[in-house]
Amino acid sequence: QKEVEQNSGPLSVPEGAIASLNCTYSDRVSQSFFWYRQYSGKSPELIMSIYSNGDKEDGRFTAQLNKASQYVSLLIRDSQPSDSATYLCAVNIGDTGRRALTFGSGTRLQVQP
Amino acid sequence: EPEVTQTPSHQVTQMGQEVILRCVPISNHLYFYWYRQILGQKVEFLVSFYNNEISEKSEIFDDQFSVERPDGSNFTLKIRSTKLEDSAMYFCASTTTGTYNSPLHFGNGTRLTVT
Repeated sequence: QKEVEQNSGPLSVPEGAIASLNCTYSDRVSQSFFWYRQYSGKSPELIMSIYSNGDKEDGRFTAQLNKASQYVSLLIRDSQPSDSATYLCAVNIGDTGRRALTFGSGTRLQVQP
Repeated sequence: EPEVTQTPSHQVTQMGQEVILRCVPISNHLYFYWYRQILGQKVEFLVSFYNNEISEKSEIFDDQFSVERPDGSNFTLKIRSTKLEDSAMYFCASTTTGTYNSPLHFGNGTRLTVT
């Protein structure tokens, strides 16, 4: 079973719409979750972190975590063409003793002008 | 804003040669990592380093790989005898405390091409 799963996409949304990106993880005791954005040929860039169930908002971005369902999502409001990138879900698998992040394969987002 | 610096940005080497990839983590960070990303694939963990020793490594990090912190600022990844399948982007990352709620900060990466 894959540890962190994402739909590879592409997810295509019109400019100004809400983009919804989803991620599931396999280890129920995982404690911390991160969303990174990666432009082609560039390094991952941190967008959001979330540790507790519920929603966390930062500007146009909202991360949602449901530990019971082992599900984390990222909403991007008022999507812009510059948001077109691959979005990586990363999970600190297991309990707090493991520090390395496990990444999903990423979802490619295309925002159409 | 402080950043993780990696050099070189692109390294081309012949199969069987040794390469050293260099990183300068953010100065007050204590945990250091190497990840790699083969073209079109996911970001994969290689190794983490804390207090001058390896704290965790993946199955990818075999005897051909080693890491070192030769001085107070640099953190290096050495591949002893490169293979074609080592061609990838290699990312260095660092965090402050290394606890579960400490996000990784990535460098810009080194693109390694093995011919």
